[in-house]
Parts: sequence; C-alpha cells; structure tokens
Amino acid sequence: SYKLTQPPSLSVSPGQTASITCSGDKLGNKYACWYQQKPGQSPVLVIYQDTKRPSGIPERFSGSNSGNTATLTISGTQAMDEADYYCQAWDSSTVVFGGGTKLTVL
Amino acid sequence: EVQLMESGGGLVQPGGSLRLSCAASGFTFSSYAMSWVRQAPGKGLEWVSTISGSGDNTYYADSVKGRFTISRDNSKNTLYLQMNSLRAEDAALYYCAKDGDASGTDRRKIHFDYWGQGTLVTVSS
Repeated sequence: SYKLTQPPSLSVSPGQTASITCSGDKLGNKYACWYQQKPGQSPVLVIYQDTKRPSGIPERFSGSNSGNTATLTISGTQAMDEADYYCQAWDSSTVVFGGGTKLTVL
Repeated sequence: EVQLMESGGGLVQPGGSLRLSCAASGFTFSSYAMSWVRQAPGKGLEWVSTISGSGDNTYYADSVKGRFTISRDNSKNTLYLQMNSLRAEDAALYYCAKDGDASGTDRRKIHFDYWGQGTLVTVSS
C-alpha cells in the first residue's frame, strides 16, 4: 500500500521559515494537501491541490509538490503555528495520510 | 455555515457493533463526497472510508473492509458508518469530513475542507 513519510518533529524559531516535507513514490503525480491540528481540536485544511490555500488561511502558508516530495512552507512562523501537521493524498482508491509532523516554535 | 455533527459513539465490547451518524448542514449535501477519518488517542489521522455524493461509489481502508459499511441518506443530510466485528484497534475518535472538491469527478483531488468535532468509540470488555 502507498505510504507517505513525514519527519516526526521539527523545531523553528519565531519569525523563521518552517519547511515540512512529505515523501511518497511519485507523489508529484498526485495532489497533496495539508492539515493543521492543534491539541484537542479537529484538523484544519491549510493547503489543497498542492498549492492552493483555503480562504481564511494566512498567506504565510504555502505548498509545493514535485518528484517524490511535497512541502508545506510556513514563512515567518508564529507561536500560533505550533501544531501537528499531516499531509494527505489519494492513491489506488484510498486516502493516505502521512504520519504527522509536530512543529514546535521556540 | 457548514456544520458537521457526529453522534453514536460509545463503549462497545470486542466483536460488537455500533452505528455512527453525521448530521450535515450549510451546504448541498448530495453534491459532495463524505468521509470518515479516525484518530486513536495520541496517534495520527487514519482514513476509514469515503462515499460519493450520490452514494454510488464507496471506498474503504483495508483495515476495515468487510467489517464497516459507509452509507448516506441525502434526503436527511446524514452520513453513516455501520461498524461490525469491532476490535480493540478500532478504538478512536471518529471524524466525519466533507470533500472540498465540488465536482467529485477526479478523486485525486479529494481533500477535507470541513471536519466535525468527532465521536469517541471505545472497544473494551
């Protein structure tokens, strides 16, 4: 079955750029999306179809997808961005989630 | 305003059954695929099942295939998940989620733009 791999954790200083990767075989040929989940809350969509940002999501969130890697980039990271982030794609009639990346802002 | 409200969770013994419901409002329910996604305590997101807007097409994770059945009643704007032969590993918070792609013609575009608050399923003797 298809697998999406994310780093378990990432730390970034406030104001810096955070890049969270999601790797999968030929992922660039699929659409990737990203969710943010804060403790005790439901996930929130932050990027869909590789690069699109839903209304209400700050411009500092951006996405890319090429080759085997999709990347969520948070520019000028803020303390409120501390959360778990999950990538997701569709493969062989199934939805696949990455294992999640815990982003710490310190 | 889009709202998704899950219900039906609870404590069930291994081997037992449970039916989850998700009441939807604020959008044209029949136009969108809907899904169930679960999250075990302290763990990541796991996709369970998806159903097309018409209900004609269903998809399942291998871990639940043959035990769970997804369905929908578009006249009641409600999504269901019938869970049979429950196992300890099925214990999780179950979310209902709406597909953000209105066309639904290209499943590769599936993404979940709205989520409910979840309903907790506990499997224990």
